[in-house]
Amino acid sequence: GAVVSQHPSWVICKSGTSVKIECRSLDFQATTMFWYRQFPKQSLMLMATSNEGSKATYEQGVEKDKFLINHASLTLSTLTVTSAHPEDSSFYICSASFSGSFYHNEQFFGPGTRLTVL
Amino acid sequence: GENVEQHPSTLSVQEGDSAVIKCTYSDSASNYFPWYKQELGKRPQLIIDIRSNVGEKKDQRIAVTLNKTAKHFSLHITETQPEDSAVYFCAASGSGGSNYKLTFGKGTLLTVNP
Repeated sequence: GAVVSQHPSWVICKSGTSVKIECRSLDFQATTMFWYRQFPKQSLMLMATSNEGSKATYEQGVEKDKFLINHASLTLSTLTVTSAHPEDSSFYICSASFSGSFYHNEQFFGPGTRLTVL
Repeated sequence: GENVEQHPSTLSVQEGDSAVIKCTYSDSASNYFPWYKQELGKRPQLIIDIRSNVGEKKDQRIAVTLNKTAKHFSLHITETQPEDSAVYFCAASGSGGSNYKLTFGKGTLLTVNP
């Protein structure tokens, strides 16, 4: 149980275009979804936290107008990288969690999306 | 906010030896401490976690210890095998409301030599 999927698994785009990444919880309702970015040989850096039906909370230094997050349902969150540039090339990973006495705090990670901006 | 320090950044051991990775955290209100194994290009995989009401937890060859007073926790892998080679991350859960966001350490590249 607690499976999270991401689509696409990889994407290559031209500089200046926008890219949308989907994150789905397949067998549970996610009260909260998280978006991370991971550069090569670095750790996961939290970009934003989103709760269904409300605006995302962005971490300091993350441009909310560049990284648009929509969490329209309890099973789907999307991250749109607008006007992507080569420096946005990275591994983007989502995770999901749900309120529950046993799984309190635990996050379930998607497989990640490799974005390459040419 | 929470700050998590992880050491060492690289660790090389011989097959069958033990490996220990240590982390410290800054927020005394943190109450959840997971450890993840990540292979190249893959998602982080939860290998063990511990909550602040427990001092030690073990799962076969893997154990985690938590010292709340000193604000540090450690991962212990015994009888290491080549397939244990990967990057390991510790994390701590923040205390911010219902979001439970995780703060990660910088990672430890573990290499198990046959």
